[in-house]
Amino acid sequence: DADVTQTPRNRITKTGKRIMLECSQTKGHDRMYWYRQDPGLGLRLIYYSFDVKDINKGEISDGYSVSRQAQAKFSLSLESAIPNQTALYFCATSDPGQARGYTFGSGTRLTVV
Amino acid sequence: AQSVTQLGSHVSVSEGALVLLRCNYSSSVPPYLFWYVQYPNQGLQLLLKYTSAATLVKGINGFEAEFKKSETSFHLTKPSAHMRDAAEYFCAVSDGAGNTGKLIFGQGTTLQVKP
Repeated sequence: DADVTQTPRNRITKTGKRIMLECSQTKGHDRMYWYRQDPGLGLRLIYYSFDVKDINKGEISDGYSVSRQAQAKFSLSLESAIPNQTALYFCATSDPGQARGYTFGSGTRLTVV
Repeated sequence: AQSVTQLGSHVSVSEGALVLLRCNYSSSVPPYLFWYVQYPNQGLQLLLKYTSAATLVKGINGFEAEFKKSETSFHLTKPSAHMRDAAEYFCAVSDGAGNTGKLIFGQGTTLQVKP
């Protein structure tokens, strides 16, 4: 099994629908992150969490919400999806400390039509 | 605030040629720097990282990068490109403020390797 698992891998949804992307990890890491990837823009941080009770907004949190259900689970929700939220979404985990780097999931490709 | 600029969104080399992918950073504190690779339809995989030890860092798959403080650069190189190196490469810098562990990514560089 992968260290960081994202579900679904691909999803097409309609404008205005609510959708949840899920992430679970077996690394035992406290820190979890949600990024979105767009061509030419790299990865941009949506939300991050240091533990179940510590959730923080990233640079592009508008239109998104998150839930840290347990140390191992971190979900991203789009309350009312819009077409410009079409992107590749990545979940990542890390240990405390700047030197650790991330372990990434395989990504969820979301298309909003 | 930290930032990263990758020069060239697309780099094309011939198989066996030198690979050079450029990354410049901005940081108000000593940075930690990373290179990640993304193969098609996959997540990002850590290639190498600089964490204030040796300035020349060796990574997986024959890649290496040199930290040059005077030039605020962390360019990625490989002496001889292979077809399997075709992928997208991301440079990233740690967010030094408050030890949040956040990474700030560059825009990415797509490496094409021609036979």
